[in-house]
Formats: sequence, structure tokens, C-alpha cells
Amino acid sequence: DAGITQSPRHKVTETGTPVTLRCHQTENHRYMYWYRQDPGHGLRLIHYSYGVKDTDKGEVSDGYSVSRSKTEDFLLTLESATSSQTSVYFCAISVGGAYNEQFFGPGTRLTVL
Amino acid sequence: QQPVQSPQAVILREGEDAVINCSSSKALYSVHWYRQKHGEAPVFLMILLKGGEQKGHEKISASFNEKKQQSSLYLTASQLSYSGTYFCGSFIYGGSQGNLIFGKGTKLSVKP
Repeated sequence: DAGITQSPRHKVTETGTPVTLRCHQTENHRYMYWYRQDPGHGLRLIHYSYGVKDTDKGEVSDGYSVSRSKTEDFLLTLESATSSQTSVYFCAISVGGAYNEQFFGPGTRLTVL
Repeated sequence: QQPVQSPQAVILREGEDAVINCSSSKALYSVHWYRQKHGEAPVFLMILLKGGEQKGHEKISASFNEKKQQSSLYLTASQLSYSGTYFCGSFIYGGSQGNLIFGKGTKLSVKP
């Protein structure tokens, strides 16, 4: 399962509060990704990382920031959560190169009230 | 830019066959296929690369037409375990590294 964990697995928060989601991997993969999944939209890329301190935006990056200070951890932060950010968030890694298969973490269900 | 999948949903009886299509308006370097069961994470099935190389699943096959920018996933003699939502992803170079853009998914239900 590529050793990917996400925390927390579930979170309920209020509009305007900051939220940080953590993705942890144990196999030193270079590429890590954050996606959100909403009904009718499939998986949409928020941000990705191609190394420590190397990150780039995906297609739905507004309202989100990321950090990667260690190979094993990729953090997603919602600076001021909004109800439109209620979603299921998946972290993923790709093995060997950005174009290779991706393996997903178990997901975090976030509800913003 | 998001690949288009068809059909959106399909219902099968055990043992029947299904084809799921994925088309892109952009030139494809590779096409990925994933399956997601309800409440779970997506699971990698297959990659199809330009030039015909294929990596992935033993019981599911797929094709990749580079000229038409299309891929099709073939599920033969379907089993109950095939139920789930299937996503294709097209790898597109852009930004600093390139990344996968996923379609909206095809929901497959296999009935006894």
C-alpha cells in the first residue's frame, strides 16, 4: 500500500478556522500530491511536490497552501476554511517519476460548517 | 482539459462485458486507469504509454489510440468485485513536472 497515512481521517471545523491535513509516507518517494474529491467532479489536483521544498499548484489551488520540509511529510493547509472546501481529501505518491502510477492514502473527510 | 469518460454509469450482470472510454482534447503522453470502491481510496489498475507499452492488471485489458487521443478499458466476464467507479487520468506535461488530470469517473455496478 506504499505506506501512506493521512491524519486526521475525519474533521469537522467551522468557517474561518485554519486547518492542516498531514500526509506521511514511509518509502522516500519524491512525488507527492493532494487531491480533493467531490461528487460529480472526480479527483482534482490541489498541489503537488517534486521534492523537499519543491511544490507547484494544481488546477484547484485557490485557498490552499502546502509545505514539504521533509521527504516523508506533505502538509495541506486551509488558511481560512470555507464551506466550499468541504470534501474528501486524498494524498498520493507516484513511484519513480511524475508519469508513473500513483498510490493513494486512505483519505480525510473534512466538513466545514 | 479534463478527459471525458463514457458512459457515466453502467449496470451489468455477472459474466457480462463492459467497455469504458476516455478521450482527451490534449495530446496524451500516457493514460492511467484507477478503480475506487465506495468509501475507499482509488486503486491503480493500469498505465498505457505511447508506443503501446502497458503496465498493470492481469484480468483487465485496455487500449490506447494515440492519434485519436482515446483509451478504452475492457472488463470481460465481469465479477461482483468489479463494481466501483473507474477513473481515467491523462498525464499532461505542464507546470514544473506535469501531472495527472482525471476524468469524472464511470460508475460500474455488477449484479448477481
